[in-house]
Amino acid sequence: DTEVTQTPKHLVMGMTNKKSLKCEQHMGHRAMYWYKQKAKKPPELMFVYSYEKLSINESVPSRFSPECPNSSLLNLHLHALQPEDSALYLCASSQEPLRENEQFFGPGTRLTVL
Amino acid sequence: QQQVKQSPQSLIVQKGGISIINCAYENTAFDYFPWYQQFPGKGPALLIAIRPDVSEKKEGRFTISFNKSAKQFSLHIMDSQPGDSATYFCAANNDDYKLSFGAGTTVTVRA
Repeated sequence: DTEVTQTPKHLVMGMTNKKSLKCEQHMGHRAMYWYKQKAKKPPELMFVYSYEKLSINESVPSRFSPECPNSSLLNLHLHALQPEDSALYLCASSQEPLRENEQFFGPGTRLTVL
Repeated sequence: QQQVKQSPQSLIVQKGGISIINCAYENTAFDYFPWYQQFPGKGPALLIAIRPDVSEKKEGRFTISFNKSAKQFSLHIMDSQPGDSATYFCAANNDDYKLSFGAGTTVTVRA
């Protein structure tokens, strides 16, 4: 199984809502990533988990809260988002947090904030 | 500020033609250069990657050329097919986690 799955595929939320994005991989990978991608732009790194510990936070606003409950699962909790946070949120994983380890991306969650 | 500059922004090529995408970087500490392919509605997928001690790497119809002294690298798609229509991102990495992506090139292959 070389797949990263993400749910939901689409999410529409108001600025006062709380929602969560979910990412799962069963490849035994020990590094997991959250990216944000705006239309026609490259992915922007948000967070990196290495061995279930948060190792990088790219100065992401606190309205985004990541969580790694176990080695296969990654969540992104959303609260009080702004319309400019509307984007494709991508999860990725790699065997180890090393430069030459391929990052496998999921299909993303398309988020719209009203 | 984008650490990897990619061009062109988009290109159209006839089926069977060659697509060429160019990237340039300034940070000489970069030592791993992957290319990602992204289809609409999908996440990016690794296409091919190169290290700076190699000047060229070929996988099927896809070739990376690397010029270390010029700090440039390029992707050539030979015999382009309609199924190659996608957005291509070059990237560079010099530490464990962070990929610096280029701005992306949308390739359209006309049948």
